[in-house]
Amino acid sequence: LAKTTQPISMDSYEGQEVNITCSHNNIATNDYITWYQQFPSQGPRFIIQGYKTKVTNEVASLFIPADRKSSTLSLPRVSLSDTAVYYCLVGGDNFNKFYFGSGTKLNVKP
Amino acid sequence: EAQVTQNPRYLITVTGKKLTVTCSQNMNHEYMSWYRQDPGLGLRQIYYSMNVEVTDKGDVPEGYKVSRKEKRNFPLILESPSPNQTSLYFCASTPDLISTDTQYFGPGTRLTVL
Repeated sequence: LAKTTQPISMDSYEGQEVNITCSHNNIATNDYITWYQQFPSQGPRFIIQGYKTKVTNEVASLFIPADRKSSTLSLPRVSLSDTAVYYCLVGGDNFNKFYFGSGTKLNVKP
Repeated sequence: EAQVTQNPRYLITVTGKKLTVTCSQNMNHEYMSWYRQDPGLGLRQIYYSMNVEVTDKGDVPEGYKVSRKEKRNFPLILESPSPNQTSLYFCASTPDLISTDTQYFGPGTRLTVL
């Protein structure tokens, strides 16, 4: 079963680039890697999804090495409003279940 | 507006009193799921449904029931709630698991069992 491991928390300052790495050693061939953002008392919100190499959208970039055993979410020039919990998610081995990690709490300081 | 709705948003109840948390989506999504969120444990999947009349257990199904009689609705049932089920609950839906579309989450239901 594909489980994920992330740092519990990270601190950053406004304007910096933030990289959050997720480990998923048992990722299955069919699994996609998805990152979500969650603010307090709200449901998670999709940020980015990828299968391999690099994916970029207007919000973030996702880097996935060839062995796919880890992935890195990159947030360019963070602001205070990026303070949130970020979850790395991979599809379950039977592609029916979803496993969220415990998330990384990002604290952006002024 | 495309959305997932949950009711109630807040609920305080007592041990053993049956309750139902409703979840409804208006996007014609096939896949729906329930999660609970507890401090330090992140989101854990309780049950999921691939389509009408098709449900299966997630990571933490004990003490919960679900049903999927209609595509849009996926209620979570606690037959005999206990204090360890005090948590923040989220319902989510996604079109299917073949496409790369994402899960859309509801606003959450904060449940307290005394």
